[in-house]
Amino acid sequence: DTAVSQTPKYLVTQMGNDKSIKCEQNLGHDTMYWYKQDSKKFLKIMFSYNNKELIINETVPNRFSPKSPDKAHLNLHINSLELGDSAVYFCASSQDNVNQPQHFGDGTRLSIL
Amino acid sequence: DAKTTQPTSMDCAEGRAANLPCNHSTISGNEYVYWYRQIHSQGPQYIIHGLKNNETNEMASLIITEDRKSSTLILPHATLRDTAVYYCIVRARGSQGNLIFGKGTKLSVKP
Repeated sequence: DTAVSQTPKYLVTQMGNDKSIKCEQNLGHDTMYWYKQDSKKFLKIMFSYNNKELIINETVPNRFSPKSPDKAHLNLHINSLELGDSAVYFCASSQDNVNQPQHFGDGTRLSIL
Repeated sequence: DAKTTQPTSMDCAEGRAANLPCNHSTISGNEYVYWYRQIHSQGPQYIIHGLKNNETNEMASLIITEDRKSSTLILPHATLRDTAVYYCIVRARGSQGNLIFGKGTKLSVKP
């Protein structure tokens, strides 16, 4: 019974393609996030959604578009993939507000050829 | 930028207590101290958090100094599976997201 699950686990594709990463959480949380971990292992927040509404959008290119069809899902669509997009992308979720901890998925390893 | 300072790496003998320090000298009154860890090839895992009192759970203990400018995460009996990068993060109460991860401490537990 995985709490936060991401698919696919690995994604290898060519420059210029469009791809999506899916995330689902079964914890009943209201808030979901996308983080990016680059080759230097720095983990940075990209987006945050609360009850399907965008609340955080860090400086991320417009090619990245998160979509939240319901509270349990936050998908990440990436257009026109570039070499610099190669990274591990982590989805996370938490209870709404206050100081609740975030629960992370195991990541999607995206490699751009 | 991360508001915490941690040693780059530490070693610990299996079965011993691992004490991981963190400096957060600019912490403000409404900011909590969180600890996460990332085992190789996995997502970050929440360990513990606290405001000013010491905290303990099934994974670890968190000791926060009285002036709140530093803290120590204690793994009482480290095992090989505790080898990971440990992140100390400060986060304001009520903030939506914005966990700012620094470089963390690479803890190596050795047999």
